[in-house]
Amino acid sequence: DGGITQSPKYLFRKEGQNVTLSCEQNLNHDAMYWYRQDPGQGLRLIYYSQIVNDFQKGDIAEGYSVSREKKESFPLTVTSAQKNPTAFYLCASSARGLGGIGELFFGEGSRLTVL
Amino acid sequence: KQEVTQIPAALSVPEGENLVLNCSFTDSAIYNLQWFRQDPGKGLTSLLLIQSSQREQTSGRLNASLDKSSGRSTLYIAASQPGDSATYLCAVLNAGGTSYGKLTFGQGTILTVHP
Repeated sequence: DGGITQSPKYLFRKEGQNVTLSCEQNLNHDAMYWYRQDPGQGLRLIYYSQIVNDFQKGDIAEGYSVSREKKESFPLTVTSAQKNPTAFYLCASSARGLGGIGELFFGEGSRLTVL
Repeated sequence: KQEVTQIPAALSVPEGENLVLNCSFTDSAIYNLQWFRQDPGKGLTSLLLIQSSQREQTSGRLNASLDKSSGRSTLYIAASQPGDSATYLCAVLNAGGTSYGKLTFGQGTILTVHP
């Protein structure tokens, strides 16, 4: 079935460690996104990519990094520089990039907890 | 800066009732508006996408309307069922200003339908 797969579903990290969250899509979508969701707040955009080998910072990119070497994959690294990394992370994709008229599809999310 | 507000924040209704969820946005320069459903601990599922040139979209028991000039959208759920219990979010794709090309999410309405 076509869709977006995020892994791991749950992840625990010690302070000072980098972790990488995986996001894979088989929808043949050009654009991919990472959002962060915190209780009581709306979704906030971390990074987005409209095409392979290109990505842009969103509203809260500090302490995060991404790569887009393949169309299907958009991994997110949460670095030790991210001051408050405990959150629910959501990956999404759309057929066209922001500014187009594409519908947004989401993965099931990854919950990161810093111990 | 675009702001999206959803009212009410929470809603509890008996099974079988028709209900309306509201979404308002401050900047009418949008490409589209999308309604999502989120179950606890899960990703977002797209329900309806309304382009800026459209007035409404329907899918099964769901009907979403858009009044761009007044900055409002409503999601109408007919004959509600316990399985409709979830958080419903709206998001607008911005076409102007400092939020150009970005999705802005509301904080959601938590719906509980009791038998």
